Amino acid sequence: QLQLLQSGPGLVKPSETLSLSCTVSGGGGSGFYGGWIRQPPGKGLEWIGSMSYTGETYYSSSLKGRVTISGGAPFSLRLTSVTAADTGIYYCARRTVTGSYFSWGQGTLVIVSS
Amino acid sequence: DIQLTQSPSTLSASVGDSVTITCRASQNVGNWLAWFQQMPGNAPKLLIYKSSSLESGVPSRFSGSGSGTDFTLTISSLQPDDFATYYCQQYSGSSETFGQGTKVEMK
Repeated sequence: QLQLLQSGPGLVKPSETLSLSCTVSGGGGSGFYGGWIRQPPGKGLEWIGSMSYTGETYYSSSLKGRVTISGGAPFSLRLTSVTAADTGIYYCARRTVTGSYFSWGQGTLVIVSS
Repeated sequence: DIQLTQSPSTLSASVGDSVTITCRASQNVGNWLAWFQQMPGNAPKLLIYKSSSLESGVPSRFSGSGSGTDFTLTISSLQPDDFATYYCQQYSGSSETFGQGTKVEMK
């Protein structure tokens, strides 16, 4: 059974860099996209970005310039110059080319605070 | 960026009701639209992809339809486990977007 396991700190200081990792276990294969999605407390889902199986990366226009997604093992997210507005639950997820995110990590609550 | 607008924002219904949620895109997204269900404290769960394809293991009371800019998610006979928040998501190009969500609550 495919599982995505997230790791990374739950507390980041303002102006610093948020870094999270996502390890895929229990399933192999190719042709998948990996994505990162976040959810501010009490609010809806926001797509951060994704990486295709060819290594191409795609980012939200609102975060472009601050976000980097890297592939391989593990699959990772870096978000620079964080502020309190970046506080929320961060999810990694996997999708197929024609489908959508069928497998999700457990979520990591990241709080930006000094 | 493509915007997705869901309606209603909140829906009150009873067990056994048929409910419909709509999602309107600001541009043509073809059939590249998915629907997710999220329970409090949990990660979202994929219900429908490519507008009308039912994800494996999802009950058949869930169905999706639409293309272009107008889409719907229908739950044919609401069950107690279906009270949750539902999101649409478009993945038509290099950028993806989620709708703002629709909360289905008990009447």
